[in-house]
Amino acid sequence: GAGVSQSPRYKVAKRGQDVALRCDPISGHVSLFWYQQALGQGPEFLTYFQNEAQLDKSGLPSDRFFAERPEGSVSTLKIQRTQQEDSAVYLCASSLASRSSYEQYFGPGTRLTVT
Amino acid sequence: GQNIDQPTEMTATEGAIVQINCTYQTSGFNGLFWYQQHAGEAPTFLSYNVLDGLEEKGRFSSFLSRSKGYSYLLLKELQMKDSASYLCAVTNTNAGKSTFGDGTTLTVKP
Repeated sequence: GAGVSQSPRYKVAKRGQDVALRCDPISGHVSLFWYQQALGQGPEFLTYFQNEAQLDKSGLPSDRFFAERPEGSVSTLKIQRTQQEDSAVYLCASSLASRSSYEQYFGPGTRLTVT
Repeated sequence: GQNIDQPTEMTATEGAIVQINCTYQTSGFNGLFWYQQHAGEAPTFLSYNVLDGLEEKGRFSSFLSRSKGYSYLLLKELQMKDSASYLCAVTNTNAGKSTFGDGTTLTVKP
């Protein structure tokens, strides 16, 4: 069956460019999470949606980061004026319901390299 | 805030048993997950504990002690394909927002 998909899988951006990362969650999943994972570290929470509502964006590192999920399915993470420290893998995960007992299904990630 | 500690690396022999520990300090607790992550791939779910005790699922078991802020993942009959990073993640809200540890890289040797 279809899992979580992300595109692009790899993105190279020059410092100062804007990038947009897309996440297609599993159909019908209510919750959607974005994480940032640096090499050798665990995923770091960025933001969370329940349907189209962004309920928690406490992990977004700066106002250059923006996420949306306008129709409660596909989500986009946008990074403006990229910096070298933004280089990481960006993981998207979805969950069936908005409850802590539900496991998160992760996409393959987008590896962003800022040069 | 949350603080989650796991050993950075472990090595074990094919066919053996290995225990990966995780300790946590949280401002709230709504469950603990273990995920497996092979290099360059997405994390995949292994187990979930919200009550104290042992949950067994095939070759993998997970234990939780809420009073001690402690969990472990037990892998039996190790196989080469078990070489991966094992991530401990704690949820502290009903919504399921998870805080992850940095993972334990397990290497299984023949």
